[in-house]
Amino acid sequence: DAGVIQSPRHEVTEMGQEVTLRCKPISGHNSLFWYRQTMMRGLELLIYFNNNVPIDDSGMPEDRFSAKMPNASFSTLKIQPSEPRDSAVYFCASGRVGEGEQFFGPGTRLTVL
Amino acid sequence: DQQVKQNSPSLSVQEGRISILNCDYTNSMFDYFLWYKKYPAEGPTFLISISSIKDKNEDGRFTVFLNKSAKHLSLHIVPSQPGDSAVYFCAARSNFGNEKLTFGTGTRLTIIP
Repeated sequence: DAGVIQSPRHEVTEMGQEVTLRCKPISGHNSLFWYRQTMMRGLELLIYFNNNVPIDDSGMPEDRFSAKMPNASFSTLKIQPSEPRDSAVYFCASGRVGEGEQFFGPGTRLTVL
Repeated sequence: DQQVKQNSPSLSVQEGRISILNCDYTNSMFDYFLWYKKYPAEGPTFLISISSIKDKNEDGRFTVFLNKSAKHLSLHIVPSQPGDSAVYFCAARSNFGNEKLTFGTGTRLTIIP
């Protein structure tokens, strides 16, 4: 079975540009999570969805960040405009509601110059 | 406020010996705990979990112990193998029906051949 798929794996952009990260969860999973990992803050949850509905977005740093889940097999995390401090590895994870375990994708390494 | 703490940033263990990774938490509402393993340039991989109604869970070479009164859990790996060299994260979930996981900062385990 395919795991969580994220694209792109690496993204280098300039400050002020829009960045869109993509995630395909594991088939049959109905919860989806976006995380950000930095040296300073470790692994922090940005937002999560249950059954395509955003449940908790308290970790989204500011209005420049937005996430959507138009259907059960696709989600996006958008940063507009991007800033150098957004440079991090962004992980998507999926799971089944109520089961606890989350399965992570390989991550997208974002560098904003 | 770091609700899940891994106080040892790194640990070195001889191959074949036992590795013990520790994790402390402060939130008494946490009811489910997980350990993840992470290799460089990959996403975290789920290893083992434990519910707060148990004090031990075993899966092959991996055993997780939970001491609720001390708010402490540990992961034992025995015998340790070179492939176990990775960063290990503990994570916890609240019992409010929230899917959100709070992660520790990780411990880098190095197995010495």
